[in-house]
Amino acid sequence: KNEVEQSPQNLTAQEGEFITINCSYSVGISALHWLQQHPGGGIVSLFMLSSGKKKHGRLIATINIQEKHSSLHITASHPRDSAVYICAVGNTGNQFYFGTGTSLTVIP
Amino acid sequence: EPEVTQTPSHQVTQMGQEVILRCVPISNHLYFYWYRQILGQKVEFLVSFYNNEISEKSEIFDDQFSVERPDGSNFTLKIRSTKLEDSAMYFCASSGVGGSVGEQFFGPGTRLTVL
Repeated sequence: KNEVEQSPQNLTAQEGEFITINCSYSVGISALHWLQQHPGGGIVSLFMLSSGKKKHGRLIATINIQEKHSSLHITASHPRDSAVYICAVGNTGNQFYFGTGTSLTVIP
Repeated sequence: EPEVTQTPSHQVTQMGQEVILRCVPISNHLYFYWYRQILGQKVEFLVSFYNNEISEKSEIFDDQFSVERPDGSNFTLKIRSTKLEDSAMYFCASSGVGGSVGEQFFGPGTRLTVL
């Protein structure tokens, strides 16, 4: 069973397009994390959300606790945004469940 | 900028051998994590560690695995008798805040290959 589902699995966009990646989860959570995994494998934390919305530069993350759903938006996408975006949820303890990731390719 | 470091970057071992993967978390962080990612698959949680104890562990983290903070800086993952299916990238992470609400800082990973 997958506690965290992401869609789409793969996404190709033209530079400048607005991008949305979705995440749904089935477990009770304390927080939801959006991570970025670079082609070389390194992982960077983008956002940690427990409610509402956060914005950092061209990235926006939202979460709806009642619907158990989160979205990551990228405005004015750029080729350097090409990476795998991973949704992960943390439960009330200190355990984490990861989505399979969304592979984003932004074409110049 | 402080960062999490991991050594070695790549470890090759024979099946049945013991391996120790090392991590140096960010110095003022108190919460530590190990994850693994089998090639082409999703990241999986192994264990979280706080105050010299395991906080949570997943089903993957069986008796073959152990973690330790042997001194004030290192955080290690030991696999006692490696199996072929232990081949994966292992990531260490640390956080200044626990309970899954802290931003985690990831190390670059150790690629473990079991032959």
